[in-house]
Amino acid sequence: RKEVEQDPGPFNVPEGATVAFNCTYSNSASQSFFWYRQDCRKEPKLLMSVYSSGNEDGRFTAQLNRASQYISLLIRDSKLSDSATYLCVPGRRALTFGSGTRLQVQP
Amino acid sequence: SQTIHQWPATLVQPVGSPLSLECTVEGTSNPNLYWYRQAAGRGLQLLFYSVGIGQISSEVPQNLSASRPQDRQFILSSKKLLLSDSGFYLCAWSSAGDGGYTFGSGTRLTVV
Repeated sequence: RKEVEQDPGPFNVPEGATVAFNCTYSNSASQSFFWYRQDCRKEPKLLMSVYSSGNEDGRFTAQLNRASQYISLLIRDSKLSDSATYLCVPGRRALTFGSGTRLQVQP
Repeated sequence: SQTIHQWPATLVQPVGSPLSLECTVEGTSNPNLYWYRQAAGRGLQLLFYSVGIGQISSEVPQNLSASRPQDRQFILSSKKLLLSDSGFYLCAWSSAGDGGYTFGSGTRLTVV
């Protein structure tokens, strides 16, 4: 099993939709988790950190399920500007990033 | 505030030529430093990481090497580039704690 697995997508959703991505991880010892956003041909930028069961920031909610070893990212009321690739990474050191889930929000 | 600088932004090099990419961090001490490569349409591949001066861990065997001559300086090198070395190279830093990771703006390398 890969250390981190993400559905590559693309997820094509209309503006205003709610969309969720999952990221599964294999290292049960991971304590911290991060979601990054990467725009085309740009560097990844930190979107959210998850240290316990979850985190919420505006339209974005990240949840952690330790029993099933996955983290999820929920985006409500999708905007065109949310179109990007979303990467997850578990663990203290960024040794393994997921390959990312591509989101395309359409008008 | 902490900032990370990476240069150059783009680079076109012939096969067999040497490579040197530099990354510096400002506003922090003893950062963990990382070099990643991202092929077109693919995920991030960790190449090297460093937890201190002169301490380099390699994740992938290849014709690349890394050095950390100063606390906040991380250099990626190659003596002879291959076509397969083309990609988007990203430097990143993190604190020793449990925070997130901050990336430089990247170098897009094309080997021709």
